[in-house]
Amino acid sequence: DTEVTQTPKHLVMGMTNKKSLKCEQHMGHRAMYWYKQKAKKPPELMFVYSYEKLSINESVPSRFSPECPNSSLLNLHLHALQPEDSALYLCASSLTTSSSYEQYFGPGTRLTVT
Amino acid sequence: DQQVKQNSPSLSVQEGRISILNCDYTNSMFDYFLWYKKYPAEGPTFLISISSIKDKNEDGRFTVFLNKSAKHLSLHIVPSQPGDSAVYFCAASEGPGNTGKLIFGQGTTLQVKP
Repeated sequence: DTEVTQTPKHLVMGMTNKKSLKCEQHMGHRAMYWYKQKAKKPPELMFVYSYEKLSINESVPSRFSPECPNSSLLNLHLHALQPEDSALYLCASSLTTSSSYEQYFGPGTRLTVT
Repeated sequence: DQQVKQNSPSLSVQEGRISILNCDYTNSMFDYFLWYKKYPAEGPTFLISISSIKDKNEDGRFTVFLNKSAKHLSLHIVPSQPGDSAVYFCAASEGPGNTGKLIFGQGTTLQVKP
C-alpha cells in the first residue's frame, strides 16, 4: 500500500471559518509534509514532521496550524484565512527525512477561501 | 532566487519518439534529485531519482542523467506514450541534515501526440 489519502477533496470556506484538512498514510513512514501549490506553480513546502515532531516550519503564517496526532495522521488546522490562501494543499510522506527516500504525495485538497 | 529551474514550460513529441526534459540547479549542496509526474487534479507521482554521486539511473523507459559540473540533469523517456502526457517536476533535496526539504522546479508540460 503506497497510498496517502487526504480529506476533504474540495473545501470552500469563509474568512471567519475554522476548518481542518486531514492526511493519512499506513506505509509506516515517519516523515510527513504539508505543501501548498498555486495554479501553474510548483509545490512549496510548508511544514515537515519527523517522528511526530515539527522539524521545519517554512515561515508559514499562524493562521495555518499543523498537528501530528500519531505516526499515521497529519492535520492542518485553518483559521481566519485570506482569499490568497486558496490553493491545492498537498500532503506527502516518506520513510524518514533522509534524502534517499522519495516522498509519496496524496491527491490534495482544493481549498477556496471566499 | 530559484535554485531549481526548468526553462522549458512545455514540450511536444510524437508517440514512440524520445522525450527529453531538462533541469538546472544552482546549489552544489543538493545530494538527491527526483522527477515527479503530475496529472491534473492529482498529487505528484514519484518517477525516478538519482544520487549526486551517480551520473545515470535507469528504470524501464525512464533514464535520468546528472552532469554535476554543469549543474544539469535531464529525464529521458523512450519510447514516449500518450499516457506520459502530464506536467513533469524536477526536485532537489537539500543534503546536509537530512531535513526532507524538497525544492521543485517550475514544471514542464509534456504532450505526447498519437
